[in-house]
Amino acid sequence: DIQMTQSPSSLSASVGDRVTITCRASQGIRNDLGWYQQKPGKAPKRLIYSASSLQSGVPSRFSGSGSGTEFTLTISSLQPEDFATYYCLQHNSYPRTFGQGTKVEIK
Amino acid sequence: EVQLVESGGGLVQPGGSLRLSCAASGFTFSSYAMSWVRQAPGKGLEWVSAISGSFSSTYYADSVKGRFTISRDNSKNTLSLQMSSLRAEDTAVYYCAAQESGSYVHWGQGSLVTVSS
Repeated sequence: DIQMTQSPSSLSASVGDRVTITCRASQGIRNDLGWYQQKPGKAPKRLIYSASSLQSGVPSRFSGSGSGTEFTLTISSLQPEDFATYYCLQHNSYPRTFGQGTKVEIK
Repeated sequence: EVQLVESGGGLVQPGGSLRLSCAASGFTFSSYAMSWVRQAPGKGLEWVSAISGSFSSTYYADSVKGRFTISRDNSKNTLSLQMSSLRAEDTAVYYCAAQESGSYVHWGQGSLVTVSS
C-alpha cells in the first residue's frame, strides 16, 4: 500500500499569509494526487486534481505542484474562509490513501 | 446540478448489518467510478471501497474486506454499501463520492453509522 505522509498536522497563520502544505508518497505516484478542503460538518471539496490542475470554481490563490513522491499545496494569501482542514489523496493505485490532514487555524 | 444523497445510516449493534445507499442525479452515473469514504468522529478521511463504472471491478480497504460489499445499479443511478459484522471501529460518517480525473469531484453530504450496544 502507498503511504501518504502529510505535514504539518496543524498550523497557525494570519489572513494574508502564504501557507504551504506538503504530502510525501512512500513510492512514486506520478501526478496522481488530489487536494481537498474540509470544513467542520461538511463533505470534502476538491481543490486540485492531477497534482497541479485547479478545480473549476476554486480561487486562484490555491495552487498545487509536485510529481513522483513530493507534492505541495500552496495558498498564496490566506483568506478567512480558508481556515479548514486540508487532505491529500493518492489515486495511483488501490487502496486509495489520504494524508493525515492539516488543520489551518487562525493565529 | 450534481447531487449525491446518502441514506440508510443509523445505530446498529456490534455484529449487526446495515445497508447504505447513495442516490445520484445531475450527471451520467454509469460513466463514473464511485467510492465510499468514511470519517470516524474527530478523525481523518479513510477510503473504504470503490467500484468501476461498468461495475466489473470492485476494491476494498483491508479493514473492511470480507465484511462490506459495494454494488451499483446504473438503471436506478444508485450506489450501495452492504455492511456486515459491524464493529465499533466502523462508527463513522460515510460519504459516497464520484471519481473524475482520477480523484473525487462530487461528494454526498454523508450518512452517520454508529456501532454500539
